[in-house]
Amino acid sequence: EAGVAQSPRYKIIEKRQSVAFWCNPISGHATLYWYQQILGQGPKLLIQFQNNGVVDDSQLPKDRFSAERLKGVDSTLKIQPAKLEDSAVYLCASSPSGSYGYTFGSGTRLTVV
Amino acid sequence: KQEVTQIPAALSVPEGENLVLNCSFTDSAIYNLQWFRQDPGKGLTSLLLIQSSQREQTSGRLNASLDKSSGRSTLYIAASQPGDSATYLCAVGTYGQNFVFGPGTRLSVLP
Repeated sequence: EAGVAQSPRYKIIEKRQSVAFWCNPISGHATLYWYQQILGQGPKLLIQFQNNGVVDDSQLPKDRFSAERLKGVDSTLKIQPAKLEDSAVYLCASSPSGSYGYTFGSGTRLTVV
Repeated sequence: KQEVTQIPAALSVPEGENLVLNCSFTDSAIYNLQWFRQDPGKGLTSLLLIQSSQREQTSGRLNASLDKSSGRSTLYIAASQPGDSATYLCAVGTYGQNFVFGPGTRLSVLP
């Protein structure tokens, strides 16, 4: 079984630029999560999708962050414009519907300078 | 709102020692608790999942216990090995909320 794929692995951008991250979950996993993990902290949920619908985006900074999962498969997370405090690892995870068996991707490490 | 803390933040032990990692949470209305392992530059790997009705779970050299009433979980690692070096995170599933992660304990096992 292929794991959760994320790209790119690393990204360095200047503040005020935009950036996008991509995630392809495990085939058949209906639930997809995006987490932000700042150095030294635990992951914080940004958004949860069930198929192509948003279940929870209460902690997503909607003035600059957006995410979509148009066909209920892969997903894109965008930041525009980026701030220095957005420097973090962005993790994608997926799970079968109704299961707590999360599988995480390797993440994208974003550095904003 | 659920808050999760982990003690210690970092731990360094010689190979072969038994060790205990601690996780505390503020809201006891949980439905489960998970322990994850995170290696540098990688995602999280689920180690153990404890349902709220359970007291403990075991997998190989790992044993996790749960005391809902006191808001605590412990991860016991027996006969530690250098390959156990990683960051260990607990995540708490609370009714009406998404999983909340603790900040993690960074473990180094010295050969």
